[in-house]
Amino acid sequence: AQKVTQAQTEISVVEKEDVTLDCVYETRDTTYYLFWYKQPPSGELVFLIRRNSFDEQNEISGRYSWNFQKSTSSFNFTITASQVVDSAVYFCASRSTTSGTYKYIFGTGTRLKVLA
Amino acid sequence: ETGVTQSPTHLIKTRGQQVTLRCSSQSGHNTVSWYQQALGQGPQFIFQYYREEENGRGNFPPRFSGLQFPNYSSELNVNALELDDSALYLCASSFAGTDRGYTFGSGTRLTVV
Repeated sequence: AQKVTQAQTEISVVEKEDVTLDCVYETRDTTYYLFWYKQPPSGELVFLIRRNSFDEQNEISGRYSWNFQKSTSSFNFTITASQVVDSAVYFCASRSTTSGTYKYIFGTGTRLKVLA
Repeated sequence: ETGVTQSPTHLIKTRGQQVTLRCSSQSGHNTVSWYQQALGQGPQFIFQYYREEENGRGNFPPRFSGLQFPNYSSELNVNALELDDSALYLCASSFAGTDRGYTFGSGTRLTVV
């Protein structure tokens, strides 16, 4: 069975600090996808990144970067020079590619508070 | 292109009542999924519809049912509401086969009293 663990319930940082959100996943599948979503107070889940299990390259997009390590089953997310607008709940999720169903397994989320 | 729209945004119902939540998929998407997000939790998969048929279901009782229409819009119906059904219900659409991330709506906040 799949499982996603986000051990950090809430993180508070001061603006311009770097912050890393942790994600550990469990799966028996050999191929799978991993995702990060941002949920602002409005409730909508905003897609940030998708990573295929075959692609362990780290990715950088502006102030965002992701570190995928299959050896430790982790897919961590770093925000560099955080801003107040980054305040939100962030969810890590996984999806099996062996099932025809687009069923995502979400972690419990990490609430990030960026203080001015 | 339009995103995923859900209605209503908020709803209050009494225990035992029935509720219907609606979702319009993003243009070009043919798959709709519904998720329940309890306060402080991650979204939990309820079910998915593709070509008007349910093709996957999470651990939810039969009183949770759905429909997908020819225009790919969808409804989530919940019968015999219980207090624990109070949650944010999220609709997400995608295009089967592309393996791209879902596009989520802003959700319907259901409160059962």
